[in-house]
Amino acid sequence: EIVMTQSPATLSVSPGERATLSCRASQSVNTNLAWYQQKPGQAPRLLISGASTRASGIPVRFSGSGSVTEFTLTISSLQSEDFAVYYCQQYHSWPPITFGQGTRLEMK
Amino acid sequence: QVQLQQWGAGLLKPSGTLSLTCAVYGGSFSGYRWTWIRQAPGKGLEWIGDINNIGDGYYNPSLKSRVTISVDTSKNQFSLKLNSVTAADTAVYFCARGHITIFGVADFDPWGQGTLVTVSS
Repeated sequence: EIVMTQSPATLSVSPGERATLSCRASQSVNTNLAWYQQKPGQAPRLLISGASTRASGIPVRFSGSGSVTEFTLTISSLQSEDFAVYYCQQYHSWPPITFGQGTRLEMK
Repeated sequence: QVQLQQWGAGLLKPSGTLSLTCAVYGGSFSGYRWTWIRQAPGKGLEWIGDINNIGDGYYNPSLKSRVTISVDTSKNQFSLKLNSVTAADTAVYFCARGHITIFGVADFDPWGQGTLVTVSS
């Protein structure tokens, strides 16, 4: 099973600033990685697939990068609606699909 | 626009069987892997398993002995059964549509609204 580790657990950033979230895989997943945003009481929403491809309707301020074992989600200029929990997910080795434990992005 | 709507019992007693169903509206039922994912209170996401339209299923090894996912193509629905539940199975359960790559299931979009299932005596 591939273990996904996200850091930091909590990130405090001011609106308008840049946020950088990290995700590490315990072994290579190439670019078979997705990112999700989850707000309280809601289902996760797909942001990024293939490590860097934005899903339909996702604003351009969200960008993904990385490959092999190291990945980054960057939000270029934080809006109030971006404060949420973010999860990475690998789909290189299945079953099982595995998720990171999440990064909580909070307003500073 | 594809929508997933799910339903099922929200309160179970220990040793009982969890049963949830997810209906797919507005899109093709073939060419995807129909997936169940759960989230314990305050915790992260755990993949339970998935199935395609012809009934080929894959399960999380940690749950495999207790899980069955089935599909009803006549109704564009798929279902989850988890037996011998305990308090550790208390979670919000989500259904989701899984896209497919050469590796198998990939990312998940869209998701159902989620169903809170509580296991308590």
